[in-house]
Amino acid sequence: NAGVTQTPKFQVLKTGQSMTLQCAQDMNHEYMSWYRQDPGMGLRLIHYSVGAGITDQGEVPNGYNVSRSTTEDFPLRLLSAAPSQTSVYFCASSSGLSGNTIYFGEGSWLTVV
Amino acid sequence: QKEVEQDPGPLSVPEGAIVSLNCTYSNSAFQYFMWYRQYSRKGPELLMYTYSSGNKEDGRFTAQVDKSSKYISLFIRDSQPSDSATYLCAMSAGSSASKIIFGSGTRLSIRP
Repeated sequence: NAGVTQTPKFQVLKTGQSMTLQCAQDMNHEYMSWYRQDPGMGLRLIHYSVGAGITDQGEVPNGYNVSRSTTEDFPLRLLSAAPSQTSVYFCASSSGLSGNTIYFGEGSWLTVV
Repeated sequence: QKEVEQDPGPLSVPEGAIVSLNCTYSNSAFQYFMWYRQYSRKGPELLMYTYSSGNKEDGRFTAQVDKSSKYISLFIRDSQPSDSATYLCAMSAGSSASKIIFGSGTRLSIRP
């Protein structure tokens, strides 16, 4: 019963490096999204997708890219990491039938030095 | 001003106490109200889901919505050390997950 799986769990990057956070879900959910969580800021939506081939920007999209080639996978790419991107990142999914019921992954802790 | 305000705590109470967690909001269009529980180093998990006004009870947990005051609450009865976590409120005007606004969370500690 995997649900939403994120990798890696922890990562340290140098400023300017690029990397991809992986996310996969096995619930056949149409909707997938990425959030970042910072102290005092709550969860902020970065990008989301309502189905394969469809992506859209959330509240804080700058510096991040996404693609959705399959229903199961929704990777988040950091193009040129900056210290301001130090955060905890959560991938989430939900079905079209119960859109407000979001299932989150375990999180990816990213530090940019 | 944030759309959703939540006291960050920390809130520390003895085991067995009744806990009250609250959020206020400014958008009168919000119709869907949720509470998530987040343990340390884990992702949030949905705890309670309420549509429109009123109360909803699930075991030791009760969610209450007062739309006239733009105020929601989560009550935990007979609190246990295992309830120690961060509690996030969340709300939206429609059923699209992309429109959900989260509070910043209240850190709760239950003392044995």
